Amino acid sequence: DIVMTQSPDSLAVSLGERATINCKSSQSVLYISNNKNYLAWYQQKPGQPPKVLIYWASTRESGVPDRFSGSGSVTDFTLTISSLQAEDVAVYYCQQYYTTPSFGQGTKVEIK
Amino acid sequence: EVQLVESGGGLVKPGGSLRISCAGSGFTLSTAWMSWVRQAPGKGLEWVGRIKSKSDGDTTDYAAPVKGRFTISRDDSENIVYLQMNSLKAEDTAVYFCAAALNNWFDPWGQGTLVTVSS
Repeated sequence: DIVMTQSPDSLAVSLGERATINCKSSQSVLYISNNKNYLAWYQQKPGQPPKVLIYWASTRESGVPDRFSGSGSVTDFTLTISSLQAEDVAVYYCQQYYTTPSFGQGTKVEIK
Repeated sequence: EVQLVESGGGLVKPGGSLRISCAGSGFTLSTAWMSWVRQAPGKGLEWVGRIKSKSDGDTTDYAAPVKGRFTISRDDSENIVYLQMNSLKAEDTAVYFCAAALNNWFDPWGQGTLVTVSS
């Protein structure tokens, strides 16, 4: 099974500043035949189900603000919020779908 | 509109059984790989198991903590996916979400149903 590890567990960022969340997989999630990384990022707000933000590691879901971006490949990935807004306060999860799915432990983003 | 709605959660005693449902609308569940994901109170997301699409053989996979106790099935006539949970333990207490992998990642998700295992 692939283990996903996020860092940090939580972070506090001032409004308008950058937030960066890291995700590391215990083995590669890059499928060589199509050169795609089988990794998604989700945002979860209290009392709501998760919502997909990014898939294929860097493709933004339709309707997601462009301040959210994903990068990385193979085993190391990053979710960046370029200018934090109040509505971005949430827990963020990475998830691999290369094999049986698994999630990172989550990163809580708050306003400083 | 593509939508999933879970139902059937509740309070059950340790060692008991419960079946929860996930009803789909706006798409045919048998065309998607349907998963159950749970979230214990104040904790993160844990994948529970999945049933693959009809074209991929309807096969199922389960996470280690629930293997042998939980079973996922699908009723194509009703467009519903079920999670049968047996030999329930306190650590199975969680909100259970169903989620569709229409394109590999999970989207859409249901709103979740709370299962509480307690005497």
